[in-house]
Amino acid sequence: DQQVKQNSPSLSVQEGRISILNCDYTNSMFDYFLWYKKYPAEGPTFLISISSIKDKNEDGRFTVFLNKSAKHLSLHIVPSQPGDSAVYFCAASERGRRALTFGSGTRLQVQP
Amino acid sequence: NAGVTQTPKFQVLKTGQSMTLQCAQDMNHNSMYWYRQDPGMGLRLIYYSASEGTTDKGEVPNGYNVSRLNKREFSLRLESAAPSQTSVYFCASSDFSTAGSPQHFGDGTRLSIL
Repeated sequence: DQQVKQNSPSLSVQEGRISILNCDYTNSMFDYFLWYKKYPAEGPTFLISISSIKDKNEDGRFTVFLNKSAKHLSLHIVPSQPGDSAVYFCAASERGRRALTFGSGTRLQVQP
Repeated sequence: NAGVTQTPKFQVLKTGQSMTLQCAQDMNHNSMYWYRQDPGMGLRLIYYSASEGTTDKGEVPNGYNVSRLNKREFSLRLESAAPSQTSVYFCASSDFSTAGSPQHFGDGTRLSIL
């Protein structure tokens, strides 16, 4: 029973265009959502997060949108750069709990 | 800044052998975690330690034991390795005193069990 789902295993975009990565969840108790980026042979690196009391959080080229009624969040990268090519994981945590529940990841490839 | 350091980076074991994976963090975080990542899947929590002296099971604890040696170090032990434990293991730490505080990960240990 996957509580966090990333239904697109891969995504390819052109440099300079927008990348949109999607994530769905089923657990209503999740109160924080995070995005991590992972390069091969490295550990995941924290990218951006959003609290369930917000619907948008922006950090430079990265924006995360949260739609609680649809239990859906998305990560927008504008403009996309070749260095953004990596696997992106969506993760969520329940209020008062320390564990993160991860999605299966989306491999983003940004073509020069 | 070292952050989270895992040793070893690679290891090959035979079925039935035992092994301890080491993890140390230098960020003065109180919480530490062990995850495994298998192909096509996200990271799954094995065990975590909310603070020094405490440990709790995660989603997939069977076949593993952990020790929170001190605030800096959190080890994962496979007592009798099985091929199903072939995976990439990640250690992480976080400061849980801040809501939504992200976890910081090491670069992983790639473990193959023959």
